[in-house]
Amino acid sequence: DIQMTQSPSSLSASVGDRVTITCRASQGISNYLAWFQQKPGKAPKSLIYAASSLQSGVPSKFSGSGSGTDFTLTISSLQPEDFATYYCQQYNSYPWTFGQGTEVEI
Amino acid sequence: EVQLLESGGDLVQPGGSLRLSCAASGFTFSDYAMTWVRQAPGKGLEWVSVIYSGDQRTFYADSVRGRFTISRDNSKNTLYLQMNSLRVEDTAVYYCAKIVRLSGIDYWGQGTLVTVSS
Repeated sequence: DIQMTQSPSSLSASVGDRVTITCRASQGISNYLAWFQQKPGKAPKSLIYAASSLQSGVPSKFSGSGSGTDFTLTISSLQPEDFATYYCQQYNSYPWTFGQGTEVEI
Repeated sequence: EVQLLESGGDLVQPGGSLRLSCAASGFTFSDYAMTWVRQAPGKGLEWVSVIYSGDQRTFYADSVRGRFTISRDNSKNTLYLQMNSLRVEDTAVYYCAKIVRLSGIDYWGQGTLVTVSS
């Protein structure tokens, strides 16, 4: 199975900050990498697919990059509504696997 | 507007069975693969199973293979998850989600809670 490791596990940031979350795969997954946002008590929301493509309706302050084993999610200007946990997920091969999550505290 | 509405979650004893449903609307259900993802209380996301559209191929996580069965009824626009031999560690919110080929999950349902406890 492919292991997905996110860092950091949590971070504290201020409104307006630029935030970067890293996701590393235990083996190459090309660009089959997605990012999700989950707020407490809510279902996850899809943000990015294919490592760098925004899902429909997702604001451009979110961006993704990477290929192979190393990926990043960047939030360019953090707003109060961005308080959430962020997960990466590989869909290159089964079983699909998620990172452990990164909690972003404002 | 894509909508996915899960139902069927309940409190069940260890060793029991439960069937979850996910009613889909707002898209052509038969054209898309569908998946189940779960989240134990206070934990992260765990992929459970997937079913493809045309050939209805299925794949499962090792933790549920042989106990859970994913299926779909395209005439009813509904996805199912039959869960047998339930264990305490199956306690979780179960989400259904729509998949776009080469793009992964794009839409999620709101989830249904399964509690396995004596």
